[in-house]
Amino acid sequence: SQKIEQNSEALNIQEGKTATLTCNYTNYSPAYLQWYRQDPGRGPVFLLLIRENEKEKRKERLKVTFDTTLKQSLFHITASQPADSATYLCALDWENNDMRFGAGTRLTVKP
Amino acid sequence: NAGVTQTPKFQVLKTGQSMTLQCAQDMNHNSMYWYRQDPGMGLRLIYYSASEGTTDKGEVPNGYNVSRLNKREFSLRLESAAPSQTSVYFCASTDRAGGYTFGSGTRLTVV
Repeated sequence: SQKIEQNSEALNIQEGKTATLTCNYTNYSPAYLQWYRQDPGRGPVFLLLIRENEKEKRKERLKVTFDTTLKQSLFHITASQPADSATYLCALDWENNDMRFGAGTRLTVKP
Repeated sequence: NAGVTQTPKFQVLKTGQSMTLQCAQDMNHNSMYWYRQDPGMGLRLIYYSASEGTTDKGEVPNGYNVSRLNKREFSLRLESAAPSQTSVYFCASTDRAGGYTFGSGTRLTVV
């Protein structure tokens, strides 16, 4: 069956460092992949979308890569700040107008 | 403000009671979705509506029904609530060209 796995439940890093979050998937070939940010008690907020024919996409301090051979996406936050602390979700387009989400990685950036 | 509005924000039900969760979007999106979010399991799709007049089952539809009332509104109904339906419910919409816009969620407890 298809699975989406995000590398770890929690990631702690020091302010100013680059945070790297991983999203792996199996038994599927999505046409695109998305990343979301979710703060406690709030709904997810869309950050970036990357298509299968794109290797990399950037938005300000965010960078996403998509390796369809490895079936993996990496999400980077450069020059991280305490305000970046949140849970980050990856999501893959699924069949029939469906999107499937990973369980998320909780990022904490310490001052 | 443009976005997705969910009501109510909180609800406590007794086992066997019924209720309807309301969702409305003002972005003229065709597609709308209902997800539930449980700790460690990420977002799971309950039902979706690709366009006005259509609805389809997602990953976990049992115990739920939906109505796409018009292009703006998509409601989720629990006919006979069970403790296993204790969760946070999110409504989302998209025009399929970009990411999903989520509401702020309904926190439901079934006792």
